[in-house]
Amino acid sequence: EIVLTQSPTTMAASPGEKVTLTCRASSSVSYMHWYQQRSGASPKLWIYETSKLASGVPNRFSGSGSGTSYSLTINSMETEDAATYYCQQGSSYPYTFGAGTKLELK
Amino acid sequence: EVQLVESGGGLVQPGRSLKLSCAASGFTFSNYYMAWVRQAPKKGLEWVATISTSGSRTYYPDSVKGRFTISRDNAKSSLYLQMNSLKSEDTATYYCARHRNWAPYFDYWGQGVMVTVSS
Repeated sequence: EIVLTQSPTTMAASPGEKVTLTCRASSSVSYMHWYQQRSGASPKLWIYETSKLASGVPNRFSGSGSGTSYSLTINSMETEDAATYYCQQGSSYPYTFGAGTKLELK
Repeated sequence: EVQLVESGGGLVQPGRSLKLSCAASGFTFSNYYMAWVRQAPKKGLEWVATISTSGSRTYYPDSVKGRFTISRDNAKSSLYLQMNSLKSEDTATYYCARHRNWAPYFDYWGQGVMVTVSS
């Protein structure tokens, strides 16, 4: 099983601040996908195939990485970005998710 | 608009069974793989099952293999999860999700249904 380790576990950012969340895989994966989950809501696909923004996702978000190291970056933090972000790999069964990074507004 | 609406959750005793349903609309259901993903209270996400377009192929993690069965009825645009021999650790919100099979990921999610396993 491929274990995904997200860091940090929790962080707070001020409006306008640049934010980078990371996801490390225990073995190499072909792509990484990211989901946003706001409090009390269902997860939403946010970034797929490492760097493609899902429909409706603001372009201040970006994704990058390869092999075992991936990241999600917010160019300029906004209030609505406060949420938990999960990474997910589909390169091998069982599909696995990271434990999530909770991003709060400072 | 893609919609996925789960139903069938509730409180069930350990060792008993429960069947979840998911009604899909807004897309051609028979063209897509489908999946169930769960989230224990205050915890992260866990993939539970995937089914191919025809239903001929199914996939599970070891944590539920042999106890859970995913199925679908393409004529009714419906997805199901039969859960047997339930354990307390199966307590979670269960989400129905549309599964993109290329570089597998889940592009649409339902609102979720809560399953509580407790005596």
